[in-house]
Amino acid sequence: QKEVEQDPGPLSVPEGAIVSLNCTYSNSAFQYFMWYRQYSRKGPELLMYTYSSGNKEDGRFTAQVDKSSKYISLFIRDSQPSDSATYLCAPVTGGGNKLTFGTGTQLKVEL
Amino acid sequence: EPEVTQTPSHQVTQMGQEVILRCVPISNHLYFYWYRQILGQKVEFLVSFYNNEISEKSEIFDDQFSVERPDGSNFTLKIRSTKLEDSAMYFCASSLRQANTGELFFGEGSRLTVL
Repeated sequence: QKEVEQDPGPLSVPEGAIVSLNCTYSNSAFQYFMWYRQYSRKGPELLMYTYSSGNKEDGRFTAQVDKSSKYISLFIRDSQPSDSATYLCAPVTGGGNKLTFGTGTQLKVEL
Repeated sequence: EPEVTQTPSHQVTQMGQEVILRCVPISNHLYFYWYRQILGQKVEFLVSFYNNEISEKSEIFDDQFSVERPDGSNFTLKIRSTKLEDSAMYFCASSLRQANTGELFFGEGSRLTVL
């Protein structure tokens, strides 16, 4: 089983839709959970960062972590064409200093 | 806004040649990293560097790879004898705190093509 798994997509939605992006992991040592966004031919940029189970909201973005089922979600409300990118989940262990990236989900928001 | 800069943006080299990829991290950051992304695959951790030494490395980071911070501003990745499978986008990143507590800032990447 891969350490971090994401559906690669592509996921195509109309502008204004609510988007749900998901990630599962197998390593119980992961304690911190990051979501990165990567535009084509660019480096990843941090979107959201959570520590414990539960929800964290930042503008149109909500990150949700369920440690009991090792399941991470990112919700995007009122999606915009500018949200079209690849979304990468990247958990980190408690004492670790490396991100373990999933393969990413490619999102396309259409006008 | 401060940013991580990488050079070159694209390098083409022959198999067996040495390559040095350069990075200028954000000036007050303390942790430095190299990641790579083979076309169509996930971003993979190579190495982290703190206090002038490697703090963690992956199994990909074998004896052919080395990192150096030769002065107060640059952070380099050297590949001694490139192989075809080294063709990838290499991302430098830096952070003020450890990866699990702070934000990593990534550069735009250096694309390495090995022929």
